[in-house]
Amino acid sequence: EDKVVQSPLSLVVHEGDTVTLNCSYEVTNFRSLLWYKQEKKAPTFLFMLTSSGIEKKSGRLSSILDKKELFSILNITATQTGDSAIYLCAVEDNNDMRFGAGTRLTVKP
Amino acid sequence: GAGVSQSPSNKVTEKGKDVELRCDPISGHTALYWYRQSLGQGLEFLIYFQGNSAPDKSGLPSDRFSAERTGGSVSTLTIQRTQQEDSAVYLCASSLRDGYGYTFGSGTRLTVV
Repeated sequence: EDKVVQSPLSLVVHEGDTVTLNCSYEVTNFRSLLWYKQEKKAPTFLFMLTSSGIEKKSGRLSSILDKKELFSILNITATQTGDSAIYLCAVEDNNDMRFGAGTRLTVKP
Repeated sequence: GAGVSQSPSNKVTEKGKDVELRCDPISGHTALYWYRQSLGQGLEFLIYFQGNSAPDKSGLPSDRFSAERTGGSVSTLTIQRTQQEDSAVYLCASSLRDGYGYTFGSGTRLTVV
């Protein structure tokens, strides 16, 4: 059965800490893996990953995909309180997109 | 139920017909979200319900789209006079008020022919 598993489910850190969020998947006919930041009502697109080993970076956020081991990580360095959100991982195959349950990140001052 | 349930899982309709998509959220979840997902594109926010507050309809793409949430639980997304560009996967998610337990349903794949 196709599935997307994120860990940890919840994480509490202090400002300035570095965090690593994990997403593992089992999907037939993999096309891409996407990371979103969910705040309030609508997820904000962060990254789309299609190739192994190529790091995508945007400011303090970066992500990489391992298609052999079937997982991706999302790193956030020097966390800020504004990074507090639910981070969603989704995997797209030829027909569908499947979401993980998300990681709830709380960054305390 | 244990998760967010959406029905039907697949719907093929003729252009110009109306369709109704149903979302049954996790019991106790006060927040409910509708999104649209086209293959190769990101999630598109449609509408957000939170408890008894007026829904946030800012993402609805046209007046052909509407949604209701009855009794703070089940929600129905209605698309009138469907067009081919409405073809997509329509996803529903629910969560507790503060976002905990945010969970997606498996979606309804709508194909307008």
